[in-house]
Amino acid sequence: EIVLTQSPATLSLSPGERATLSCRASQSVSSYLAWYQQKPGQAPRLLIYDASNRATGIPARFSGSGSGTDFTLTISSLESEDFAVYYCQQRSNWPRTFGGGTKVEIK
Amino acid sequence: EVQLLESGGGLVQPGGSLRLSCAASGLTFSSYAMSWVRQAPEKGLEWVSTIGLSGGSTYYADSVKGRFTISRDNSKSTLYLQMNSLRAEDTAVYCCAVGATAGYFGYWGQGTLVTVSS
Repeated sequence: EIVLTQSPATLSLSPGERATLSCRASQSVSSYLAWYQQKPGQAPRLLIYDASNRATGIPARFSGSGSGTDFTLTISSLESEDFAVYYCQQRSNWPRTFGGGTKVEIK
Repeated sequence: EVQLLESGGGLVQPGGSLRLSCAASGLTFSSYAMSWVRQAPEKGLEWVSTIGLSGGSTYYADSVKGRFTISRDNSKSTLYLQMNSLRAEDTAVYCCAVGATAGYFGYWGQGTLVTVSS
């Protein structure tokens, strides 16, 4: 099983600041990695797929990078609606796995 | 607009069974692999199971293998999850999910809560 480790667990930032979230895989997943955003009481929303492709309707302030075992989700300038929990997920191997999540909270 | 509507959750005793359903609309159901993903209270996301287009291929998390069975009825655009030998650790919101790109989850239902408790 591929283990995805996200860091930090919590990121405390102010609106307008840049957020950098990390996801590290226990073995290579090539570029088969996605990022999701989840707000309380809501289903997750797909932000990025195949490491760097924005999903339909996702603002340009969200960007993804990386390949192999190290990946980054960057939010260039935090908006109020961006404070949420973010998960990475791989589709390289079975079983599909998610990271433990990073909570982006208002400082 | 893709819509996924789960049902069938509830309170069940340890060792009991439940069958979840997910009614899909707004997509050509038979053209997509379908999945179940769960989230325990205040916890992260956990992939549970995926079924291929015709139902011939199924995949399970180790935590549910041998106890849960995923199936689909393409004529009814409905996904199922038969859950047997339920344990307290199966308590979670169960969501069905699908993606335009196989293996990712671009569309999610709101989920159905399964509580396993005596």
